[in-house]
Amino acid sequence: GNSVTQMEGPVTLSEEAFLTINCTYTATGYPSLFWYVQYPGEGLQLLLKATKADDKGSNKGFEATYRKETTSFHLEKGSVQVSDSAVYFCALTAAGKSTFGDGTTLTVKP
Amino acid sequence: EAGVAQSPRYKIIEKRQSVAFWCNPISGHATLYWYQQILGQGPKLLIQFQNNGVVDDSQLPKDRFSAERLKGVDSTLKIQPAKLEDSAVYLCASSFRGAFSGGPYNEQFFGPGTRLTVL
Repeated sequence: GNSVTQMEGPVTLSEEAFLTINCTYTATGYPSLFWYVQYPGEGLQLLLKATKADDKGSNKGFEATYRKETTSFHLEKGSVQVSDSAVYFCALTAAGKSTFGDGTTLTVKP
Repeated sequence: EAGVAQSPRYKIIEKRQSVAFWCNPISGHATLYWYQQILGQGPKLLIQFQNNGVVDDSQLPKDRFSAERLKGVDSTLKIQPAKLEDSAVYLCASSFRGAFSGGPYNEQFFGPGTRLTVL
């Protein structure tokens, strides 16, 4: 079956540090890949997506590139802010089925 | 535009009792999803509806869980009888088209969730 593996957290960074959260996947066919974010006290919301190999999704300074050869979709941001503190979920949709990773908690300190 | 609505937000019950959760998706969204999110884990899909038909319920524990979406709009998820291990957040999500669709229309919009505690 499909699966998503995220780097384990929690991740703690200082403001303006570089962020990478690793995500790798296994799936049949050609999945669409997503990053969702859950801010404290709020529901999950889509951060960015990519639907085919080599696509780059971007939003709010975050980026992730769909790498078919390494089955990865790592999330990056060049300079994190305190307001980026949240739980980040990598997810895929393949053949109509959605699979989520277990989430990575990011805390950004001023 | 109103988001996905869920109620109640919190529920505490004792094991072997029954409980029901309600979800109203975004207007016009054909696909509705119910997820179970256990603390420290990602959401796990329980059931997916396309309009009022079930697309995928392969991970729904059918001996105790049931769900319906009678008119293709709002949906109810029921647990009867509840077990301790059912303690989780139950998330409802909707999308304009189903996860089978490509393009920009399979983004899922999530409700705030219902936190269930089974004692």
